[in-house]
Amino acid sequence: GAGVSQSPSNKVTEKGKDVELRCDPISGHTALYWYRQSLGQGLEFLIYFQGNSAPDKSGLPSDRFSAERTGGSVSTLTIQRTQQEDSAVYLCASSSTSGGQSSYNEQFFGPGTRLTVL
Amino acid sequence: AQKITQTQPGMFVQEKEAVTLDCTYDTSDPSYGLFWYKQPSSGEMIFLIYQGSYDQQNATEGRYSLNFQKARKSANLVISASQLGDSAMYFCAMREIIRAGANSKLTFGKGITLSVRP
Repeated sequence: GAGVSQSPSNKVTEKGKDVELRCDPISGHTALYWYRQSLGQGLEFLIYFQGNSAPDKSGLPSDRFSAERTGGSVSTLTIQRTQQEDSAVYLCASSSTSGGQSSYNEQFFGPGTRLTVL
Repeated sequence: AQKITQTQPGMFVQEKEAVTLDCTYDTSDPSYGLFWYKQPSSGEMIFLIYQGSYDQQNATEGRYSLNFQKARKSANLVISASQLGDSAMYFCAMREIIRAGANSKLTFGKGITLSVRP
């Protein structure tokens, strides 16, 4: 089946503009995550959705960042008044929720959106 | 708070030989899971292997095995019979296991670059 998809794949914007990044998770996956990867670095957690609610948004770096998820499916990450330090690859991941004792709910990642703020 | 440490500089290995990629972690969570992901130059994140903190045996998955030493808080990845296609960044990650089947964010290390020489 289809994996996690993200759009756009690349986004170049000017400092101060708002951007929206979209994530389509794997069908049926109840959990959705946003991460950010700066050049040559590891992934930094931003926000986690379970269904349409966000029980963990502790990684959002400032109030310029927000995210929503509708219908338990598509999610949009919005960055307002972008700054140059926002330049990074934004990765979305999804996982299922299983009641199985041995389940580890692997996270499946999308290809990412490369954001460049000039 | 969780922390993953990957301090090895770029690693080199001869094709067909084995290589160990180091990962140490720190957490106060009583139950947690450890993951290894591969990120080739294309940028996708590929799940490799999982180890639960209460698993009695070290995880194995094809050519990948995890040398889990709980008392030392280490979870090293061993790749046997290296192939040219193994050249990539490798990330160690962990997450809290609140209860069986529940989801939570991943905390990643900074990654290790592996280059396989022909």
